[in-house]
Order: sequence, then C-alpha cells, then structure tokens
Amino acid sequence: QSALTQPHSVSGSPGQSVTISCTGTSSDVGGYNYVSWYQQYPGKAPKLMIFDVTKRPSGVPDRFSGSKSGNTASLTISGLQAEDEADYYCCSYAGSYTLFGGGTQLTVL
Amino acid sequence: QVQLVESGGGVVQPGRSLRLSCAASGFTFSSYGMHWVRQAPGKGLEWVAVIWYDGSNEYYADSVKGRFTISRDSSKNTLYLQMNSLRAEDTAVYYCARDRHYLSGSYYPYYWGQGTLVTVSS
Repeated sequence: QSALTQPHSVSGSPGQSVTISCTGTSSDVGGYNYVSWYQQYPGKAPKLMIFDVTKRPSGVPDRFSGSKSGNTASLTISGLQAEDEADYYCCSYAGSYTLFGGGTQLTVL
Repeated sequence: QVQLVESGGGVVQPGRSLRLSCAASGFTFSSYGMHWVRQAPGKGLEWVAVIWYDGSNEYYADSVKGRFTISRDSSKNTLYLQMNSLRAEDTAVYYCARDRHYLSGSYYPYYWGQGTLVTVSS
C-alpha cells in the first residue's frame, strides 16, 4: 500500500492554468476509473472536486478538470483565482483498499 | 443534506483503546459504504478503513490492520472505529466519509465529516 506520488508544491499567477499530477501503478490509478481529487484548506475537512477521473460534483466550478493517461492522473485548474490556494490530494481505488497521494500545496502568486 | 458528525476523540495513553463514532443523517445509511480517513498534524490524508453498505466486507490500511476495527449499526445510523493498542503515530484528526456508490462496493470518500482529534500521548 504505497501512497500515490504528487508534486509537493505548484504555483501560478491569477488567470493562469496549473496542472497537478498523480502517479500510481497499474494496480490503482491505471487499473480503475475511480480517481478522485480533494481540496483542503488549513484546519478544514477535505472537499471533493473531481470524481471518477473527470466528473465534477455540483457546485464545483468548471475551471477544475480531471484526466488520466496510463498510471498518471491529473487535475487542471484554469483561470486561477486567489481562493484556489489550498492543498490538493488525489485518491484512487486499488482493488479492496483506497490510496491517497501525499498532497500538493498550490500557491497563487 | 448529508451530515456526518464524528465524536469520541481525545487524549489516550499509548497501548490503550478508544472508540470513535460517526452519526450519519440526510441519506439512507444502510445503502452506502463508509470510510475512515485520518490526517496526522501537518501531514497528508491517509485512508484507514472501509466497510461496505451491508457490512459484508471490511478493508484496512496495513498500518492499522489487526489493531483497528470498523463497524456500523444501521439501526442507529452510526459508524464506528474501534482503535486498540494505540501508538503515538496514530495521533491524527479522524474523518468519517460516505462513499459515492449506492448499494455497491466502496471505492472512495464522497461526503466528509468535520473530523475528531485523537492524541496518543503519555
């Protein structure tokens, strides 16, 4: 049960786009279309932003999008806004258990 | 709306036990799988355990297997996490979360509670 691999941090200026990667294996990310992404502010509970690789829950802006290629999933945030500054975690089903990535700190410059 | 309220956290000595509860409302509890996820201070999220909607399957992270037990009581709409042989490294905020999938296997957290803090210290 090894954690999924995410970059420790990414940054971008308002209006720009950023992409956060999430690398696993064929036993988790590559094997199932059950990848989800969560946004977390300090001291708050995580919030679901993307599920089933590409789907957005109601209320999540369409600036947030998800994709997957092989064993790597990605979260792209376009038109960056100051309120997007937070920690982001990917998550994947792994065939009986669930794995999280180590988290990525997004800084809006 | 879906509400999940955790309770039972606190300070406990190493080697002792603690039971967390999660009161669920706003959905048919017996139709959804439920997860526990934890977050150590300043660290990332760690999946802990899942129980299927009907209680037929339970799965655990290697770090807690054999020490923690997840269970549910559909008559009380409540999820539990029995934590035995606690260690300092179990110190974390523990979140309960509902799965997305209805009357199916359980794959990832969808709705989250606000968490309860467990501190293991002498």
